[in-house]
Order: sequence, then C-alpha cells, then structure tokens
Amino acid sequence: QSVLTQPPSVSAAPGQKVTISCSGSSSNVQYNYVSWYQQFPGTAPKLLIYDNNKRPSGIPDRFSGSKSGTSATLGITGLQTGDEADYYCETWDTSLSAGVFGGGTKVTVL
Amino acid sequence: QAQLVESGGGSVKPGGSLRLSCAASGFIFSDYYMSWIRQAPGKGLEWISYISSSGGSTYFADSVKGRFTISRDNAKNSLYLQMNSLRAEDTAIYYCARDLFKSFHGWFDPWGQGTLVTVSS
Repeated sequence: QSVLTQPPSVSAAPGQKVTISCSGSSSNVQYNYVSWYQQFPGTAPKLLIYDNNKRPSGIPDRFSGSKSGTSATLGITGLQTGDEADYYCETWDTSLSAGVFGGGTKVTVL
Repeated sequence: QAQLVESGGGSVKPGGSLRLSCAASGFIFSDYYMSWIRQAPGKGLEWISYISSSGGSTYFADSVKGRFTISRDNAKNSLYLQMNSLRAEDTAIYYCARDLFKSFHGWFDPWGQGTLVTVSS
C-alpha cells in the first residue's frame, strides 16, 4: 500500500488530455515538493516534473504539474501513442523521514 | 553528460549479503546527493535510501533500515549499497539516481540503468 495514491490507469484518444492525480497528506504532498516520473517497460524512470510544476530541459510543455493542498496532478495534453507509459509521483514524507512514491498510473492511448 | 552505471547485482540466498556499486561520470560527483531506488518485478518504485554529498547524512526507508547501508567514495566517483540479511521481498531492480540540483530536494535525475537483485533459495 503506497503512501501516495494514484489511479491504476487512465486512458484517452490521441490528441486528447489526461490527468493523473496523486493524493497524499499533510506530512508529504501538502508541504513538500512533488516530482513526476515517466517509465517505459524495461527502462529506467525519467524525471518529467519537479518542484510541483517545473519541467527539466527537453520535456515538452504538453506535460504539466500542479498541486493543491494534499493532492498533486500531472496533466498530459495532445496525447500521443509515445506517451503510453507508467507515471509515478514522488515527494518527501516529513513524518517518515523518507521519500515516498505513488503506486503508479498506466497511461493508455486508445 | 551525467551518467550513472550500477553493478553488483545477482542471485543470493535469503539471509545473504550483496554490495551494489554505482559509478558516476560527467559531473562533479562530490557536489550531489545520491539515492537508491528499487522496483520489484511488475511493481512500482520504492525509494530506499539517500546520502548527502559529503556522506555525513543518510536516510533509509523502514523496509531496509538496519539491514542496508549506503556509502560513497567521492575520490572514486562511486556510490555503494551494502545489503545484509536479504529477504525474498528485496528482489528488485535497484537504481541509483542523482539529485537534480546540488542540494537535496528528492528530484531524481539522472538514473542509472539498474541492476537486478534476486533473493531466492
């Protein structure tokens, strides 16, 4: 059972938008920075979003992050078949003194 | 370009030990916090440990606390994970990752390619 809760899967047609939620608590999401990672099968994860809503260089602006209270959200617009992957949120948990990941969300392009 | 390469994975019996290494290149290793993150087969990511740039500060997930030790050799640009009292549930791909910036935020970039640890009798 993950400390951060994500939906197991989301799907949409090409060109559409999907959002992935990441629900936590006051000891993690609410007062700490959230990051998001994309992982294709058999490969290492890749940083998509850091500091709640910032994109590293090279990440297209189709990917966006936001946070409100104890929840964070990853948005993907203009969905492409190449976006089919697993997505994870992550933050620090102050009570646990540990990093925590969400359980991951599989994005399917219909 | 920053690069991380893990090694040392393999098969070990329950109760055994293993030491993972992560070789860093393309950046000033001694400037960055480093972490170990693992992924059990078919499962999600699990953060397990981080170490400060100097090595003076370390944190561990409860699942490995007291069994795993993280260390680094800044002269050798290398990160290590000593794993003792291994259990079947420690079976996973182990990734090393650098913090994005020169201070700890828990934003992991880049990641290594991972090394597989299998604990089985």
